Amino acid sequence: AQKITQTQPGMFVQEKEAVTLDCTYDTSDPSYGLFWYKQPSSGEMIFLIYQGSYDQQNATEGRYSLNFQKARKSANLVISASQLGDSAMYFCAMREGRGGTALIFGKGTTLSVSS
Amino acid sequence: DAGVIQSPRHEVTEMGQEVTLRCKPISGHDYLFWYRQTMMRGLELLIYFNNNVPIDDSGMPEDRFSAKMPNASFSTLKIQPSEPRDSAVYFCASSKDSFRGEKLFFGSGTQLSVL
Repeated sequence: AQKITQTQPGMFVQEKEAVTLDCTYDTSDPSYGLFWYKQPSSGEMIFLIYQGSYDQQNATEGRYSLNFQKARKSANLVISASQLGDSAMYFCAMREGRGGTALIFGKGTTLSVSS
Repeated sequence: DAGVIQSPRHEVTEMGQEVTLRCKPISGHDYLFWYRQTMMRGLELLIYFNNNVPIDDSGMPEDRFSAKMPNASFSTLKIQPSEPRDSAVYFCASSKDSFRGEKLFFGSGTQLSVL
């Protein structure tokens, strides 16, 4: 079974608008971390934001915020005031508990920002 | 710090040839991960090491793939013999710990093309 599901293969948004990229996850571990990475066309993987399963507040990093709904097992990325440079592939990922586990990635969402 | 360093950046080889990908993790990071990225399967974990010891190699596709970490500052991923279906981007990543909040730092990737 997929642990990380990103249901939007592609999203389109205009500059200065906000966009939400969906991510749902599946785990029975009460301790986990959720991550979002950005992969521009140049190929590198850029860390954007992190949310821990015990964090009471939604994480924010500049224009990025994470809409964490634990009961629904969703961790959507919200990008406010989109910029042309936000055009990229975005990956949601999860790391379970403690003990040497790796990041498990979703299939990604391609975001295209137009002027 | 220089970040995670991978070489080569691009590799083009013919079917049947041996391919060796190299990775230098960030100094002080105890965990090293090898991922493969394809359009069809997204980012897949191949293998990861803790303190130079392979912990989970269940993602290695078949016996043609092998990975080593002879010391804390160097790892290799070898494919022998290579096949066209091995064409992908191979990422190396490292992290300091395995705590759920510990993010992975990625190298620039190796774009492998097997003809």
